[in-house]
Amino acid sequence: EVQLVESGGGLIQPGGSLRLSCAASGFSLSDTVMHWVRQAPGKGLVWVSRLHSDGTTTSYADSVKGRFTISRDNAKNTLYLQMNSLRSEDTALYYCTRDSVWSFDYWGQGILVTVSS
Amino acid sequence: QSALTQPRSVSGSPGQSVTISCTGTSSDIGAYNYVSWYQHHPGKAPKFMIYYVTERPSGVPDRFSGSKSGNTASLTISGLQAEDEADYYCCSYAGSASWVFGGGTKVTVL
Repeated sequence: EVQLVESGGGLIQPGGSLRLSCAASGFSLSDTVMHWVRQAPGKGLVWVSRLHSDGTTTSYADSVKGRFTISRDNAKNTLYLQMNSLRSEDTALYYCTRDSVWSFDYWGQGILVTVSS
Repeated sequence: QSALTQPRSVSGSPGQSVTISCTGTSSDIGAYNYVSWYQHHPGKAPKFMIYYVTERPSGVPDRFSGSKSGNTASLTISGLQAEDEADYYCCSYAGSASWVFGGGTKVTVL
């Protein structure tokens, strides 16, 4: 059974850093494209970042480019999102999700990141 | 990367059909057939409902169907049921390894 479990969220001050983790089971991250998607309070879903199955090719939304880094650890079968220079507008529920035909077939339950002083 | 345009809400009585539109541009919906739809009950993980414009993943009832014409995609729910009440989001591949979602549509079953 495919499962995705996010962790690492919390309250962080503006300008701070946080690393989100997404532990995958039921499949291998090294065979799969993975994404992060977020949802700000009361707002819609927004695509954030993608990691190709090759483990090195990445892409980012303009709003996070240069501040966020997506990566994975094959041995731990875990996806990461390193978030630096956090802003209040980064406050959101962050989901990791698996790619399937350029869409998203499995999603985690989400992890809340709150950026506030 | 502007969000796709969806109506804020649609509603229907049990058994009726509702259609949710999703309007993009010639750079996203109009350029690619990688349009997908997600059902989202607040507090739960989004659920994969439609991919490649019209395809249903295993386990999704055939009451849900997708289509596309030009820069606009649509999701139709036929035979509306109480459990269909949720938020629905469209998404399109937008080129250069980027994706764009719609703002979401709240479906209310009257």
